[in-house]
Amino acid sequence: SQQGEEDPQALSIQEGENATMNCSYKTSINNLQWYRQNSGRGLVHLILIRSNEREKHSGRLRVTLDTSKKSSSLLITASRAADTASYFCATDAHNTDKLIFGTGTRLQVFP
Amino acid sequence: EPEVTQTPSHQVTQMGQEVILRCVPISNHLYFYWYRQILGQKVEFLVSFYNNEISEKSEIFDDQFSVERPDGSNFTLKIRSTKLEDSAMYFCASRAQGLGGELFFGEGSRLTVL
Repeated sequence: SQQGEEDPQALSIQEGENATMNCSYKTSINNLQWYRQNSGRGLVHLILIRSNEREKHSGRLRVTLDTSKKSSSLLITASRAADTASYFCATDAHNTDKLIFGTGTRLQVFP
Repeated sequence: EPEVTQTPSHQVTQMGQEVILRCVPISNHLYFYWYRQILGQKVEFLVSFYNNEISEKSEIFDDQFSVERPDGSNFTLKIRSTKLEDSAMYFCASRAQGLGGELFFGEGSRLTVL
């Protein structure tokens, strides 16, 4: 079983619409992070939410965390074609210094 | 802006050959990582490195893999005898702190094993 699994696996929307991606994980965490990956490129950090936080905002991004359900969501509001990318959640678990990445959501935003 | 740099960007090798992938992490970072991503699939943890030694490794990181930080700036991943299934994108990453910090990734080295 995997530490982080995102759904949906793929999402297609029109520019201006909101995109919501979900992530579930299995173990206790210190924090959860979201990363973006353009095709064939490295991953870029978007936002970090700590285990004692429930919601965080950064520009058009809104992240929620529900530790009781071991789940998180990433909302991108007013999407743009340039938001087209894969989005991964990653968990920082207790007693470890590694980030474990989920399976990712491929987002396609049509102009 | 500081960045993680990786070389080569693409390497093609024959099965059984040794490969060394190189990374220059951000200079004041203390924690270093290698991840791999088979085309279009999830990003898999290979190994973490801190204080000049491996701190954690995954099941993928078997005896064919090794890491080194030979000179205080470079961080290398060596695959001794490559297999077809080693074909993947290999990402180096670093961060300033072990817990709670964001990872900074390089652009990756694409390894193709023929």
